[in-house]
Amino acid sequence: GAVVSQHPSWVICKSGTSVKIECRSLDFQATTMFWYRQFPKQSLMLMATSNEGSKATYEQGVEKDKFLINHASLTLSTLTVTSAHPEDSSFYICSASHPGQRNQPQHFGDGTRLSIL
Amino acid sequence: QKEVEQDPGPLSVPEGAIVSLNCTYSNSAFQYFMWYRQYSRKGPELLMYTYSSGNKEDGRFTAQVDKSSKYISLFIRDSQPSDSATYLCAMSAGNQFYFGTGTSLTVIP
Repeated sequence: GAVVSQHPSWVICKSGTSVKIECRSLDFQATTMFWYRQFPKQSLMLMATSNEGSKATYEQGVEKDKFLINHASLTLSTLTVTSAHPEDSSFYICSASHPGQRNQPQHFGDGTRLSIL
Repeated sequence: QKEVEQDPGPLSVPEGAIVSLNCTYSNSAFQYFMWYRQYSRKGPELLMYTYSSGNKEDGRFTAQVDKSSKYISLFIRDSQPSDSATYLCAMSAGNQFYFGTGTSLTVIP
């Protein structure tokens, strides 16, 4: 069964709206979660690494104020796309890996398809 | 040079064929290797997870790692239409993960 749950699976909203996406680890406590963006027929692009209890680490070129990440508990990380515009339309995917041991594989959520009109 | 190289395909095979998917990499520090399957509009699903060189088999899937050549493969035996998806290779060193671009596979009934 799924070890990472992501919600919602699909969002359509008007330009200027802020959208929150939730990512939950179901079977384990995840001190670190990852947020990716994926364009059609392209690979995953890491946006940021979400660390429980501290600030997220953003990849170069990703706007911190645009993509707000909160990792307030060991099982939940949220990504808020603030004042979304059509160019933010994309497929957003989160992942988590088991804590403790390094090099554990990442387990992905089912993704959120975001469409901004 | 990219850390991980993967032929995007698309790859089209008849049902029952053996499929070979491959990735090459440049960083000799990679020790853990993964294959993910991604259906359209879904998140990647972990298929295989291997450490260092060698083979690992799980049902119709075999993952192969050749660290001397910096080359990994995923073989799918008796391919089924339900195997039609994009396959992503991934590898890690410490807490850094690197993904291939994915290979699109279609198995034709």
